[in-house]
Order: sequence, then C-alpha cells, then structure tokens
Amino acid sequence: NAGVTQTPKFQVLKTGQSMTLQCAQDMNHNSMYWYRQDPGMGLRLIYYSASEGTTDKGEVPNGYNVSRLNKREFSLRLESAAPSQTSVYFCASTGASGNTIYFGEGSWLTVV
Amino acid sequence: GENVEQHPSTLSVQEGDSAVIKCTYSDSASNYFPWYKQELGKGPQLIIDIRSNVGEKKDQRIAVTLNKTAKHFSLHITETQPEDSAVYFCAADESGGSYIPTFGRGTSLIVHP
Repeated sequence: NAGVTQTPKFQVLKTGQSMTLQCAQDMNHNSMYWYRQDPGMGLRLIYYSASEGTTDKGEVPNGYNVSRLNKREFSLRLESAAPSQTSVYFCASTGASGNTIYFGEGSWLTVV
Repeated sequence: GENVEQHPSTLSVQEGDSAVIKCTYSDSASNYFPWYKQELGKGPQLIIDIRSNVGEKKDQRIAVTLNKTAKHFSLHITETQPEDSAVYFCAADESGGSYIPTFGRGTSLIVHP
C-alpha cells in the first residue's frame, strides 16, 4: 500500500519557469490537499479538494493552480516560479470517515 | 478563522526526561485536536488525537490533555528516547463540513542520548 505518492522529490527551477507537482493516493480518499512547509511557518494550506471535481483556495494560493484530475490524483502547478516559492511541498489526503490526514514524503523545490 | 499557537518552537531534553508541548486555539467551535510527528525528510504522521468530549488520552509514552475552557491542549512524552527526536505539530478543527485543520508552527524536539 503506497499511500500518498508525490513526484518529483527534488527540483531546481529558474525564476519564471513552470512546473507541475504530481500527487496520487491509493486509499480511495475523497479529500486531498497541498501544503507548503517553510522554516518557522509550519504547514500552510495552498489548495484543497473536498471531492473529485471541486477545488478551493487555502491560506496561500497566490502563484499556484491545482487540478483534481480524478479521485486519485491532485496536481499543483507553478505557472511562473518565483524565489519565494522555494519550499517543501506536501500532498495529503483524508477519507470521509475519519480525520486522519495522510501525507506524502514531500517535494523539495528550489527556485533560483 | 482558527488560530493555533504552539510553544516552544524548540525543546531540548535528555534521554529519559519528559517533554511537554503546548498549544492554544482561538475558535471555541473547534472540537478535534490531532498531533503529528514529522521525522527528518519525511511527511508528518498522526501520533495521537483527542476530541472535545475527552479531557485526556494516553497511548503508551505519549498523552494529550485538553482544557476546553482555557482553549489549550498539550502533548506529553514521558521517558523520552532519541527516536522521539522530530518536529511535532498540533492542529485544531471544528470537524464540520470539509476537514481543514489549522496547524501550529511546530516544535523541534531534540532528545540527547
């Protein structure tokens, strides 16, 4: 059981480049999330998807877009990367019956 | 919206000592309080949680207490071991509608052998 899988694990981008972080879960969860983690700032929600076909902004959505491709997959896109988007990104999911959030292993993104 | 404050940001203890991490929340409607542990290079993982109808919950060496009147909750780790070294996050949620917990900023626990 893989849980939440996100790719790539490491990426270096130049300012202005675009990229997509991919995420898939195999737990048949309805809700999926994208967080970013910065030193001293904890986990901040970028976007979430309560169910297939719906997405909503979180605390820090500027500069990002998301797609809930199907129930399994939730991608995060940076259209024009900026140094302020250097961070560790976590995809996560949770099922309808409980409150446990399952996190992926993280994607380390550096924008130079 | 909910605001969760977590203290301390860093906690250093000797192996065998106890460690306590404290969180406060602002929204009296919050009724679910999970704690996550994040090991180096990994994603956070749920270690214990408590709901508002319970004042204390234990699981082996870890326990969580909740004071709804004061709007604070704490994580207690007894007989700390080096493998307890990690970043710990508290969170609060009202468990109504979409599940979107608010996380604290994290506590880096270092257990010295």
